Amino acid sequence: DQQVKQNSPSLSVQEGRISILNCDYTNSMFDYFLWYKKYPAEGPTFLISISSIKDKNEDGRFTVFLNKSAKHLSLHIVPSQPGDSAVYFCAATGSGGGADGLTFGKGTHLIIQP
Amino acid sequence: DAGVIQSPRHEVTEMGQEVTLRCKPISGHNSLFWYRQTMMRGLELLIYFNNNVPIDDSGMPEDRFSAKMPNASFSTLKIQPSEPRDSAVYFCASSFWESYEQYFGPGTRLTVT
Repeated sequence: DQQVKQNSPSLSVQEGRISILNCDYTNSMFDYFLWYKKYPAEGPTFLISISSIKDKNEDGRFTVFLNKSAKHLSLHIVPSQPGDSAVYFCAATGSGGGADGLTFGKGTHLIIQP
Repeated sequence: DAGVIQSPRHEVTEMGQEVTLRCKPISGHNSLFWYRQTMMRGLELLIYFNNNVPIDDSGMPEDRFSAKMPNASFSTLKIQPSEPRDSAVYFCASSFWESYEQYFGPGTRLTVT
């Protein structure tokens, strides 16, 4: 029973266009959500996050949207650049404060085409 | 600044052998997490510590797995005896207790033959 789901294993987007990565969750106790980016042979690196009290958070080219009623979040990258090619993981955690483990989706492999 | 350090980066061992993975968290961080990544199950939390104390080990798959954190700058994950199904990439991550953002090490790729 996957509590965090990323239904698209891969996504191909042309350079300069918008990349939209989606994530769904089932656990109503999750109240903080994060996106991580991972290159081959490296550990995941934190990208952007959002609290459940917000519906949008923006950081440069990256924006995360949260729809609590639909239990859905998305990551928008505008404009997409070649260096954005990586695996993106959606993660969630509950209301235990900062020091809880993260529940991850299985990832979406984003490929930016030149 | 040094990030999370894991050793070894690669480990190949035979079934039945003991395996010890090591992690040095970022200095000053007081929470430490062990994750495992496999094709089938993705990234899953095994155990985490706050201030060197194990808080939740419900993700540890079997009694063959054990983890310790003897001090704030060192943790080990031990598998004894190892089995081929333990083959995976094992990540260590650390954070400040009050922060949601975890910083991951480069991982240890374990192959059990």
